[in-house]
Amino acid sequence: GAVVSQHPSRVICKSGTSVKIECRSLDFQATTMFWYRQFPKQSLMLMATSNEGSKATYEQGVEKDKFLINHASLTLSTLTVTSAHPEDSSFYICSASLDYGYTFGSGTRLTVV
Amino acid sequence: AQSVTQLDSHVSVSEGTPVLLRCNYSSSYSPSLFWYVQHPNKGLQLLLKYTSAATLVKGINGFEAEFKKSETSFHLTKPSAHMSDAAEYFCVVAYNQAGTALIFGKGTTLSVSS
Repeated sequence: GAVVSQHPSRVICKSGTSVKIECRSLDFQATTMFWYRQFPKQSLMLMATSNEGSKATYEQGVEKDKFLINHASLTLSTLTVTSAHPEDSSFYICSASLDYGYTFGSGTRLTVV
Repeated sequence: AQSVTQLDSHVSVSEGTPVLLRCNYSSSYSPSLFWYVQHPNKGLQLLLKYTSAATLVKGINGFEAEFKKSETSFHLTKPSAHMSDAAEYFCVVAYNQAGTALIFGKGTTLSVSS
């Protein structure tokens, strides 16, 4: 089946640095990629929707200058957390839309210290 | 507005007893409905999905769910809980088959005791 490979699975960074999270579709072309954020013991909240070759659409309250999304090819979408702060610590998950449903990356646990 | 409500934030059962995780949705359209499971610090795994075919949907690991349009419900059940079923469960709705984001319920934590 369709697989989305998400890396890294876990990252610890210093406050003020930037972190890039990658999601690659391994055996299909992901025209649309969704990025979710999950706080501890909470549900997944949609951050943004990215379409290949165009600017991402951000949900209300999500800072587009802080969470940079690039979807330059049909197999790669990236989320860069810029100038990370401890409150950005969270679990980030990408998801690709398919004709028959959705597939998820395995998630990235970001800890900002 | 579209929404999905998981009625219980936490469900505790004993091993070998039935599991019921409740979910209601609101929709003006016929949605696609999913149940996902998430184990600690892991990604999401699809248990089952409803896409306007049979109203009783069978999934993996013995789980099943019944779509009841009159009650706008999609409750998840399993006849006999196993210790490995302890996890977080999300009821999820989509209003198009592809191209739109999913809406997640707040999740239900299932605890299984021996």
